[in-house]
Amino acid sequence: GEDVEQSLFLSVREGDSSVINCTYTDSSSTYLYWYKQEPGAGLQLLTYIFSNMDMKQDQRLTVLLNKKDKHLSLRIADTQTGDSAIYFCAESRPGSSNTGKLIFGQGTTLQVKP
Amino acid sequence: DVKVTQSSRYLVKRTGEKVFLECVQDMDHENMFWYRQDPGLGLRLIYFSYDVKMKEKGDIPEGYSVSREKKERFSLILESASTNQTSMYLCASSFGTGFSYQPQHFGDGTRLSIL
Repeated sequence: GEDVEQSLFLSVREGDSSVINCTYTDSSSTYLYWYKQEPGAGLQLLTYIFSNMDMKQDQRLTVLLNKKDKHLSLRIADTQTGDSAIYFCAESRPGSSNTGKLIFGQGTTLQVKP
Repeated sequence: DVKVTQSSRYLVKRTGEKVFLECVQDMDHENMFWYRQDPGLGLRLIYFSYDVKMKEKGDIPEGYSVSREKKERFSLILESASTNQTSMYLCASSFGTGFSYQPQHFGDGTRLSIL
């Protein structure tokens, strides 16, 4: 299909790991991004992965990329209440470099319970 | 750090008014974007611009127009505001042609209510 798909909601307990999943559409996409949106704010770039990588780690964040299945995941270790937000994945499709268009998923709302 | 500034955080207008939303970026980015965000619908691209005076329609351009007279500024115009345009509006910018790494950088959003 044409859409980038994410599950809409995830609830975890403080201190647990969170895994947010995303299925993208174009196996030749160059970069894939994760954004975080806190209530009432804009989107903040969290991390990204280049398509020739299968894993990227950045402090509590781990991004896994499975190109064969076109599956992207974001793992947050030791989840805190401050991690409660909406998380968006986005793909950069080939041919879009002259416009910079990204295709966004619908966003996953992460709820962290104390 | 990239700074994308939207002129208002909250705005209340009346049906039929002409509404201007302004966005300014300070990173000399070629590309600029306007989205609206509604619960359950995610981000929807209204218009984007890849150069001064250049614009292209996104997925939902009806009822909107844009203006890009200077590189750093991208304006969204609601020609005759209607209640179904009540929404959160987000502006973003990114590097242009020749860059494969092109994350979009977002402003804080304008929550627009049309009464």
